[in-house]
Amino acid sequence: QSVLTQPPSVSGAPGQRVTISCAGSSSNIGTGYDVHWYQHLPGTAPKVLIYGNNNRPSGVPDRFSGSKSGTSASLAITGLQAEDEADYYCQSYDSSLSGWVFGGGTKLTVL
Amino acid sequence: EVQLVESGGGLIQPGGSLRLSCAASGLTVNSNHMSWVRQAPGKGLEWVSFIYSGGSTYYAGSVKGRFTISRDTSKNTLYLQMNSLRAEDTAVYYCARATQTFTNYFDYWGQGTLVTVSS
Repeated sequence: QSVLTQPPSVSGAPGQRVTISCAGSSSNIGTGYDVHWYQHLPGTAPKVLIYGNNNRPSGVPDRFSGSKSGTSASLAITGLQAEDEADYYCQSYDSSLSGWVFGGGTKLTVL
Repeated sequence: EVQLVESGGGLIQPGGSLRLSCAASGLTVNSNHMSWVRQAPGKGLEWVSFIYSGGSTYYAGSVKGRFTISRDTSKNTLYLQMNSLRAEDTAVYYCARATQTFTNYFDYWGQGTLVTVSS
């Protein structure tokens, strides 16, 4: 069981908006640690989508956005495209575990 | 351009040992924070080990005492020595560069190397 909790799956039609939640606790997100998001396609290296809660690396479309509030965070994807179909992971740091933690991952299906 | 290339994976029996390598180009391993992350079949990403540029090392509870992270400056290579391997260590192992930010994240990743622990 992951320290950060994500829904196992989400889906949406092309052009729609979806959000992926990441629920943490007072020992990670809630204590001020940032949340980062990755996109992972099978057989490839994970790619940073959002860093520092709401920052996009260069080259990431502005269709992707992140937010953080309290002990949770969210990734929003607008204008869904077929190429967005992938696994998405949130990541932070946990002071109780003294280690870096990932969410369990969310599989996005574009209908 | 930063490139991280893992090697050393393969089939190993339970209780055996394996050393993974991550050859870096475009960055200097000993000047950066580096990490190993794994993904078991059908599972999510799991952080395994971390080495700060200053040399401090950290491990996930599931591997502490069995795995050792290290680096070779002359070869610009990161290593993961894995001992007392268990079936649950079966995974694709990625090396990654960690940023020097308050909450580190992993901005450069290798393509991964598969470790299969089975008799």
